[in-house]
Amino acid sequence: DGGITQSPKYLFRKEGQNVTLSCEQNLNHDAMYWYRQDPGQGLRLIYYSQIVNDFQKGDIAEGYSVSREKKESFPLTVTSAQKNPTAFYLCATESGANVLTFGAGSRLTVL
Amino acid sequence: AQSVTQLDSQVPVFEEAPVELRCNYSSSVSVYLFWYVQYPNQGLQLLLKYLSGSTLVESINGFEAEFNKSQTSFHLRKPSVHISDTAEYFCAVSEGGTGKLIFGQGTTLQVKP
Repeated sequence: DGGITQSPKYLFRKEGQNVTLSCEQNLNHDAMYWYRQDPGQGLRLIYYSQIVNDFQKGDIAEGYSVSREKKESFPLTVTSAQKNPTAFYLCATESGANVLTFGAGSRLTVL
Repeated sequence: AQSVTQLDSQVPVFEEAPVELRCNYSSSVSVYLFWYVQYPNQGLQLLLKYLSGSTLVESINGFEAEFNKSQTSFHLRKPSVHISDTAEYFCAVSEGGTGKLIFGQGTTLQVKP
């Protein structure tokens, strides 16, 4: 089945550690997105990539980094510079006409 | 800058009653409008979208939304809700060109028996 796989589903991190969230898709979509979700704040765009080897900062990119070496993969690294990383992270692809398909999400908790 | 306002953070309603979830947006250009639904600890699923044409759009599970350009609104309605409709609903807007959607804060629909 075509879809988006995010892993891990739950992740715990100690302060000062970098962590990487995986996002893999087999939908053959060019554009991929990372959103952060916090209670009562909706979703905010972290980074997006419209084509391999290219990506752009979203509204809250500070403390995060991404890469896009393959069409299928768009990993997100939460660095120690991100001061409040505890959140639900959602990866999405675009199928055209701005319609997004989302993965199941990864929940990051900082201990 | 674009923004989306969902006017109610929580909407409690009894089963089989009608419901309306309100959404207003600000934009000076043509937009695409979306409603997404999120069940607990899951990703978002597209419920319905307005891209062009008829201002009334419908989903397969009985929801509908009407694009009102003069009032810059895209309210979501259902004439009779079920327990299974309990979820969080997000309104989103895009100016086109990319999938950079701007999301509202979300409305939690709580359907009571």
